[in-house]
Amino acid sequence: DAGITQSPRHKVTETGTPVTLRCHQTENHRYMYWYRQDPGHGLRLIHYSYGVKDTDKGEVSDGYSVSRSKTEDFLLTLESATSSQTSVYFCAISKTGQGLTEAFFGQGTRLTVV
Amino acid sequence: AQKITQTQPGMFVQEKEAVTLDCTYDTSDPSYGLFWYKQPSSGEMIFLIYQGSYDQQNATEGRYSLNFQKARKSANLVISASQLGDSAMYFCAMRGTTGNQFYFGTGTSLTVIP
Repeated sequence: DAGITQSPRHKVTETGTPVTLRCHQTENHRYMYWYRQDPGHGLRLIHYSYGVKDTDKGEVSDGYSVSRSKTEDFLLTLESATSSQTSVYFCAISKTGQGLTEAFFGQGTRLTVV
Repeated sequence: AQKITQTQPGMFVQEKEAVTLDCTYDTSDPSYGLFWYKQPSSGEMIFLIYQGSYDQQNATEGRYSLNFQKARKSANLVISASQLGDSAMYFCAMRGTTGNQFYFGTGTSLTVIP
């Protein structure tokens, strides 16, 4: 199994508070991704990283920021949590691309914003 | 723009029968990869099978095969000899060479009936 750890696994937070989710990998893969999963929407990309301090937005990036100061860690921050950000969040990693390699996923983080 | 379409929200199959899950895609990338993932009720994302856009033969992995029709932009997953443990959500995904993001469909929920 790919070495990806997400923390926390579950979190309940109040509207308006900042929240940080952590993704840690031991595979030294270049690419890291944050997705959210909601019923009827599949997985939607929030942000991704293609190297240390190199990040870019995905299709649902509003209200989220990311940081990658080390190869192994990719942090997702909800700057001011809203109820619409209640979701399951997945981190994924992948080797160098060219469309040839799969993504490996963490276990997911269930976030509830009340 | 990259897009993955899965038009079957739910499917049922009799145990030991074969089932085909549909996936169509759209991309302007000349080279890309197509992937299928399984998500059981426990929530983890499990990589099943990969097809490269320039691969001449359809990919197979055990009971899974990918019916790749490039001209029709389809990448259907075929599961042979269905088992009760195949009951899960299945996601089709695509990765291009532009940006190296993974794009996911909305998923198909498969139920295997004893």
